[in-house]
Amino acid sequence: NAGVTQTPKFQVLKTGQSMTLQCAQDMNHEYMSWYRQDPGMGLRLIHYSVGAGITDQGEVPNGYNVSRSTTEDFPLRLLSAAPSQTSVYFCASSYFATGELFFGEGSRLTVL
Amino acid sequence: KQEVTQIPAALSVPEGENLVLNCSFTDSAIYNLQWFRQDPGKGLTSLLLIQSSQREQTSGRLNASLDKSSGRSTLYIAASQPGDSATYLCAVGAGFQKLVFGTGTRLLVSP
Repeated sequence: NAGVTQTPKFQVLKTGQSMTLQCAQDMNHEYMSWYRQDPGMGLRLIHYSVGAGITDQGEVPNGYNVSRSTTEDFPLRLLSAAPSQTSVYFCASSYFATGELFFGEGSRLTVL
Repeated sequence: KQEVTQIPAALSVPEGENLVLNCSFTDSAIYNLQWFRQDPGKGLTSLLLIQSSQREQTSGRLNASLDKSSGRSTLYIAASQPGDSATYLCAVGAGFQKLVFGTGTRLLVSP
């Protein structure tokens, strides 16, 4: 059982480049979300989804786009990377709206 | 705005000691509270989930309590082991999928 899978694990971008962080889960979870983790700030919610076709903004959505075309996948797009987006990104999913969250291993992004 | 604080930021104990990690939050209107463990360079592993109607949850050597009225939760680890060394994160459910995290307590258990 793979759980929540994130790719890539590491990525270096130049300012202004775009890229997509992939997230897939095989647990048939309706609820998925993206967080970023920065030193001294804890994890902060970027975007979340309550089901296929439904997404909403979290605490720090600027500069990021999401879509949810299938239950399994929830990609996070960086439209024009900035150094402030250097962070570790985590995807999470849960079966219930207020249920236990399962996290991926994270994607470490550096923007030069 | 919900704020979550974890004290202490770091803790070092000898193996076998019982210990308590603290988590406080400013808004008692929460859906749930979840404790996670994070190893260096790794993702988060869920330890215990306490729904807002519950007072505590137990799993093995771990016990988590929740007191919404005082805005506090504690994670009790019994008979600590070196393998328990990690960062422990507390997160409060502020809405559907909306967790607000503390900055964690870094625990080191020495043999």
